Amino acid sequence: GESVGLHLPTLSVQEGDNSIINCAYSNSASDYFIWYKQESGKGPQFIIDIRSNMDKRQGQRVTVLLNKTVKHLSLQIAATQPGDSAVYFCAESGAGKSTFGDGTTLTVKP
Amino acid sequence: GAVVSQHPSWVICKSGTSVKIECRSLDFQATTMFWYRQFPKQSLMLMATSNEGSKATYEQGVEKDKFLINHASLTLSTLTVTSAHPEDSSFYICSASFPTRGRGLFFGSGTQLSVL
Repeated sequence: GESVGLHLPTLSVQEGDNSIINCAYSNSASDYFIWYKQESGKGPQFIIDIRSNMDKRQGQRVTVLLNKTVKHLSLQIAATQPGDSAVYFCAESGAGKSTFGDGTTLTVKP
Repeated sequence: GAVVSQHPSWVICKSGTSVKIECRSLDFQATTMFWYRQFPKQSLMLMATSNEGSKATYEQGVEKDKFLINHASLTLSTLTVTSAHPEDSSFYICSASFPTRGRGLFFGSGTQLSVL
């Protein structure tokens, strides 16, 4: 069946460094992907999305890369800040609903 | 500011009682809302899709008689956990698609349910 999964459950980075969070998906028919950030005790927050007809999309300090050949998605966070510490989920949207991956916990060390 | 409001933020109840959780879209109409469940250190699991004016669509394995969903208006969906038991203790989160945000979802703040 379809699934969206992440490579690593935790990531620790130094403040100011760049962070890269990876995600793999298995449904080759997926045409829309989203990254969410979830802080402890809160609902997920939309970060950035990308359609399958794109390879890259940039936002404020964030970039999402999509490699359809290997069904891989990544989120890059530039100049990581303490406020970026959270759990990050990738999600695949299709058939009117979103399927979430397992999540990567990002910890930013001061 | 928040575009999806969810209440209550947390609730503690006795086993066997029912709990209602409300999800409201603020300043926009949401014909479809989604209810997720999340256990500690796990991902979000879609429970059901709430459709305004019609029956909810439940995911496989989710008991529709236990998790009652009502979407009576374009801005309100409710989830009622009936005859709650300790294993129903979880973080419940609702979401809706914002009209100009494509398929990206806006989420409520979540409800932490603890059943004693």
